Amino acid sequence: GAVVSQHPSWVICKSGTSVKIECRSLDFQATTMFWYRQFPKQSLMLMATSNEGSKATYEQGVEKDKFLINHASLTLSTLTVTSAHPEDSSFYICSASRRVQNTGELFFGEGSRLTVL
Amino acid sequence: AQSVAQPEDQVNVAEGNPLTVKCTYSVSGNPYLFWYVQYPNRGLQFLLKYITGDNLVKGSYGFEAEFNKSQTSFHLKKPSALVSDSALYFCAVRDMPDSWGKLQFGAGTQVVVTP
Repeated sequence: GAVVSQHPSWVICKSGTSVKIECRSLDFQATTMFWYRQFPKQSLMLMATSNEGSKATYEQGVEKDKFLINHASLTLSTLTVTSAHPEDSSFYICSASRRVQNTGELFFGEGSRLTVL
Repeated sequence: AQSVAQPEDQVNVAEGNPLTVKCTYSVSGNPYLFWYVQYPNRGLQFLLKYITGDNLVKGSYGFEAEFNKSQTSFHLKKPSALVSDSALYFCAVRDMPDSWGKLQFGAGTQVVVTP
């Protein structure tokens, strides 16, 4: 159990367009979902924390108007990169913590590779 | 504030030899410690955790880690490394038993296991 699905795995878009990435907890309800950004061979940088039905909490330096996060249900959170530019190209990873039987660890999606041309 | 340090960017080991990946932490309260592994272009997979109890924690794929409070360390170990263990390993910590699960990750250690 505790599977997190992320879609799409790969996306290429033109500069100026918006891209939506979905993060779903398939077999559990997620109290909280987290969005990370990872540059090559670097650690994960937490971008924002989202709780179902409330506004996301963004980390310092992350533009909330640039990276829109919606957490409409206990199993789905979305990250929309608005007006994407080449510097937004990165690996985006989501994770979730369980609402019930929270054993402490986070469960991660497989990541989404965004390339902005 | 919480932080975690992985002092080695890369660890090289021959297949069959013991593998150790180092991690030290700093928290204001009791630590909750985790190890994750990442394969190329993939998300993170949970290996093991220390919340409370025995200092020696056993996890997935034959890995184990020892919590050492006096040295504030949580080193990851495997008695006999496999080539398939080559990956990026992250140590993570949080100091509050809340439901948010906000983790602080180390910089990561690349493990290279040679045949």
